[in-house]
Amino acid sequence: ILNVEQSPQSLHVQEGDSTNFTCSFPSSNFYALHWYRWETAKSPEALFVMTLNGDEKKKGRISATLNTKEGYSYLYIKGSQPEDSATYLCAFRGGADGLTFGKGTHLIIQP
Amino acid sequence: NAGVTQTPKFQVLKTGQSMTLQCAQDMNHNSMYWYRQDPGMGLRLIYYSASEGTTDKGEVPNGYNVSRLNKREFSLRLESAAPSQTSVYFCASSELRGSYNSPLHFGNGTRLTVT
Repeated sequence: ILNVEQSPQSLHVQEGDSTNFTCSFPSSNFYALHWYRWETAKSPEALFVMTLNGDEKKKGRISATLNTKEGYSYLYIKGSQPEDSATYLCAFRGGADGLTFGKGTHLIIQP
Repeated sequence: NAGVTQTPKFQVLKTGQSMTLQCAQDMNHNSMYWYRQDPGMGLRLIYYSASEGTTDKGEVPNGYNVSRLNKREFSLRLESAAPSQTSVYFCASSELRGSYNSPLHFGNGTRLTVT
């Protein structure tokens, strides 16, 4: 069983503040690292898929970085808005099939 | 654009009953997956099908069987339901097996309660 850890487990942020959280994963046999946003009563939606060490991806106010050698990825949200409230999942692909998910970071943006 | 469609959305079973969760995708994806979501556990892979005609066990396959009926459909069967199988089940699909940068597309989930 692969160990994919996310921290913190939950996070309260004031509207307008920036925030970030972490995903750590095995540094060996790396194929890809995924980030998903999961809003309440919906299904997870893909934010980023990163495959190369040093990758940086950006979508609007959300960005992510990847360090495969040390086994971590950061997700950043700039200028948090209430609609950013969700659970953010990372998932590690260490082989040809299937993703191993972390337990997620539950983000609450307070007006 | 239906994407990934799961049925049913909700189901209550008694211990020992059987049922099949249905999943279909219209994106011509090769790979399909079944995950379960339990509080505090994250999404755990039950079974996956890398391509039509193949299925493989994931992290938590015990008590389940799957069928990849064709490229579109991937069903999950509980032969004799147990309370430990109370969970939310998600089906997902992705593109080519060898394309590791393909994201998963999820269905809306099936909430199953076993009493």
